[in-house]
Amino acid sequence: EAQVTQNPRYLITVTGKKLTVTCSQNMNHEYMSWYRQDPGLGLRQIYYSMNVEVTDKGDVPEGYKVSRKEKRNFPLILESPSPNQTSLYFCASKSTGGLGNTIYFGEGSWLTVV
Amino acid sequence: KQEVTQIPAALSVPEGENLVLNCSFTDSAIYNLQWFRQDPGKGLTSLLLIQSSQREQTSGRLNASLDKSSGRSTLYIAASQPGDSATYLCAVQGGKLIFGQGTELSVKP
Repeated sequence: EAQVTQNPRYLITVTGKKLTVTCSQNMNHEYMSWYRQDPGLGLRQIYYSMNVEVTDKGDVPEGYKVSRKEKRNFPLILESPSPNQTSLYFCASKSTGGLGNTIYFGEGSWLTVV
Repeated sequence: KQEVTQIPAALSVPEGENLVLNCSFTDSAIYNLQWFRQDPGKGLTSLLLIQSSQREQTSGRLNASLDKSSGRSTLYIAASQPGDSATYLCAVQGGKLIFGQGTELSVKP
């Protein structure tokens, strides 16, 4: 089954404590991306990756890091989380073999920073 | 800068009604447009993808249309059911994938 898997699904952490949200896809997709979803602001892209070792900033990259060492994994790193990073986070992936490929989303990770 | 707008923000209809959700975008230079469904606390599920060269796509009771020249897409849901209750988002793919803020649909039994 085609899947994008995120972990953890729910996390409460404290300000400044480094955390990593993992993302893994089993579809051999080249493109992977992270979004955050906030009420009234919709979905905003944080970072994306076109392939292994190729990453780029999205619209709201401040306070986040990513890495793409393997094709299937694209972890999101919050080095020093702050309360304004409390949000619902989604990882997504798609093939870049054409212009009209469906994008697949993970189930989301609810992050609360206190 | 591409902007995607969905109207209305929320919609409540009785079961069985046919309905239309609207999506408009400001830059017609897109590769494709997708409609997604999001259930509360869940991820996004792709419903339909329309290539820029296409006018419409159909899947079951869903029909999505695309008019690039006017910057509009509609999602038509026939014979709505309570299980259709969810938030529906459209997204346009140009250089980036840009999402609308969604229409929250409630279908009452």
